[in-house]
Amino acid sequence: NAGVTQTPKFRVLKTGQSMTLLCAQDMNHEYMYWYRQDPGMGLRLIHYSVGEGTTAKGEVPDGYNVSRLKKQNFLLGLESAAPSQTSVYFCASSSTTGKPQHFGDGTRLSIL
Amino acid sequence: GQQLNQSPQSMFIQEGEDVSMNCTSSSIFNTWLWYKQDPGEGPVLLIALYKAGELTSNGRLTAQFGITRKDSFLNISASIPSDVGIYFCAGQEEGSNYKLTFGKGTLLTVNP
Repeated sequence: NAGVTQTPKFRVLKTGQSMTLLCAQDMNHEYMYWYRQDPGMGLRLIHYSVGEGTTAKGEVPDGYNVSRLKKQNFLLGLESAAPSQTSVYFCASSSTTGKPQHFGDGTRLSIL
Repeated sequence: GQQLNQSPQSMFIQEGEDVSMNCTSSSIFNTWLWYKQDPGEGPVLLIALYKAGELTSNGRLTAQFGITRKDSFLNISASIPSDVGIYFCAGQEEGSNYKLTFGKGTLLTVNP
């Protein structure tokens, strides 16, 4: 019973490098979300998707792009990584609005 | 944007003691959720509340949706060492069709 799976679990990048974080869910959920978690800041929404082929901006979208080409996958991209993007990134999914979000175990990203 | 005031920020208790934490908002919420996050993992849903006044239990955990719809509390009875972690409240504001607002968490330490 995998739920929400995030890859990779850890990554270290140099400033200016690019990378993509992958989120996969096997619960047939329509909604998917990307958050970042920083000390003292709680969870902040980066981007979200309400269905295959749709994406929208959350609270802190700058510097990130997303794609939802398949219902089960939600990709988060960093085109030119900056030290301020050092964080723990969480993906979540929910069946519909108002239903609880289920989280993956996170990707710990360090930008040097 | 909307902020949730979660308190206390941290608690240090002895094994066997009861614990209480709460969240308040300035806006009306339709849904209240309580999550627990263990080190190195993602938040895990503990309890979901959907109606004002609703009182729901999950083992030693009990949570209530405040009748004003602007607050919620979580109680843990007879704490054990594995209760250690960060507890987050989250809510969906009335009129919002996707967004969860998270509290900043309560760090619980249980001394055996």
